[in-house]
Amino acid sequence: AQTVTQSQPEMSVQEAETVTLSCTYDTSESDYYLFWYKQPPSRQMILVIRQEAYKQQNATENRFSVNFQKAAKSFSLKISDSQLGDAAMYFCAYRRTGTASKLTFGTGTRLQVTL
Amino acid sequence: GAVVSQHPSRVICKSGTSVKIECRSLDFQATTMFWYRQFPKKSLMLMATSNEGSKATYEQGVEKDKFLINHASLTLSTLTVTSAHPEDSSFYICSAPSPTGGYGYTFGSGTRLTVV
Repeated sequence: AQTVTQSQPEMSVQEAETVTLSCTYDTSESDYYLFWYKQPPSRQMILVIRQEAYKQQNATENRFSVNFQKAAKSFSLKISDSQLGDAAMYFCAYRRTGTASKLTFGTGTRLQVTL
Repeated sequence: GAVVSQHPSRVICKSGTSVKIECRSLDFQATTMFWYRQFPKKSLMLMATSNEGSKATYEQGVEKDKFLINHASLTLSTLTVTSAHPEDSSFYICSAPSPTGGYGYTFGSGTRLTVV
C-alpha cells in the first residue's frame, strides 16, 4: 500500500522568507502523480502544485516549486517570498495512474507565517 | 472550472438520528466520488469510493451500515450517517476526479457534523 509521510507537524516562516516542507512516500509503482494541497481555516482544499512522476523537471507555480527526487521518493515543497495568506495546513498527496484513482494524503504540516 | 457543491456546510443532529450529506457536480458528470473524513488537525482519511450505478467501495474499518453511500446519478452522490453518535462528529469532504485535469480532483467545501 502506498503511504505518504510528512515529518514536520508544524513549520514557521517569516514573511518574505522561504520555507521548505518535506514529504516522502512509498510506492512500488513507476508512474504516478504527486500533489501539494493547501487547506486554509475555511477547510476548502486548494491545489497548490502537482507533479507527474515521469517528468524529471520539477514543477513550478509562481512562488511555489517542488524538489522531486524519484529515487529517494521525496517530494518537498518550497514556498518563496512567503505571504501571510500562505498560512494554512499543507498536505502532500499521492495517486496512482489510472482512471479515478484515489488520493492518499500525508499527515499534514501546519505553516505559520509571522511578520 | 469544475465545481462540486457540498451541502450542508454545517449540521448538528441528535444522537440516534440520521443525517444526509449531498455532493453535486456542477456542469460536469462525476462517475466517481470519493468521501473523506477529517478529524481536527488531522489528515483526510478516505472512507469510501462511490461509483454511479454500482455499490460503493468502502475502506477497511469503515462501517458500511453506518455510513451509507449512494451515487444515484452522474451528478449526485450522498453520504448518510445513520444512527449518529457523538464519535461520528467530524468534518466530511467529498471529491470528484476533475473533468478537465486528466488526473486532478475537485473538492467539495466540506460538512462539519456535530452529534449532540
